Amino acid sequence: KAGVTQTPRYLIKTRGQQVTLSCSPISGHRSVSWYQQTPGQGLQFLFEYFSETQRNKGNFPGRFSGRQFSNSRSEMNVSTLELGDSALYLCASSLDSYYNEQFFGPGTRLTVL
Amino acid sequence: AQTVTQSQPEMSVQEAETVTLSCTYDTSENNYYLFWYKQPPSRQMILVIRQEAYKQQNATENRFSVNFQKAAKSFSLKISDSQLGDTAMYFCAFMKQGGETSGSRLTFGEGTQLTVNP
Repeated sequence: KAGVTQTPRYLIKTRGQQVTLSCSPISGHRSVSWYQQTPGQGLQFLFEYFSETQRNKGNFPGRFSGRQFSNSRSEMNVSTLELGDSALYLCASSLDSYYNEQFFGPGTRLTVL
Repeated sequence: AQTVTQSQPEMSVQEAETVTLSCTYDTSENNYYLFWYKQPPSRQMILVIRQEAYKQQNATENRFSVNFQKAAKSFSLKISDSQLGDTAMYFCAFMKQGGETSGSRLTFGEGTQLTVNP
């Protein structure tokens, strides 16, 4: 069974631009979570989607948004990029809320210049 | 809100020896899960071991075992017979028991960089 995939793997943007990252969960998994990893703040939860609905949201500004499609694939969008948005963005999938093991993708490395 | 603390930013161990990584957490929840993830230089996050809070028995996975002390809110990871491939950043993580509407989220510690020396 294929693992969690994330595209693109690397991305370079400039301040003020917007970016969309994509995540395809493991087949059959309905929950997708997003995390931001930076050297200064560590790993922080962004949001979780389940059956196309956002169920959980972390403490990030409204510039960070996401969505989930009917096939469980998820996208996250960051608008008006800031230098501090440079990070590794990790996506994780799990079967559902009751099965709590989350499987992570390889991440998207975003660099904002 | 939950917090997870890993007080050892870096550790090193000789190949074939045993090392223990520490983790403490704070929560008012009674039903939750605890995890150890490893992140090698490839940055791929890999689940090492998981513990359900309602289980008194400590989880083990081959060379990896935990010492779960619920009352003390302590969750340490022991790696036996350390191998070069164990070199990675190790994260302790907490998740309260989820539900259909409450969802699930991982709260991570700061991480411990483990280096296994030949």
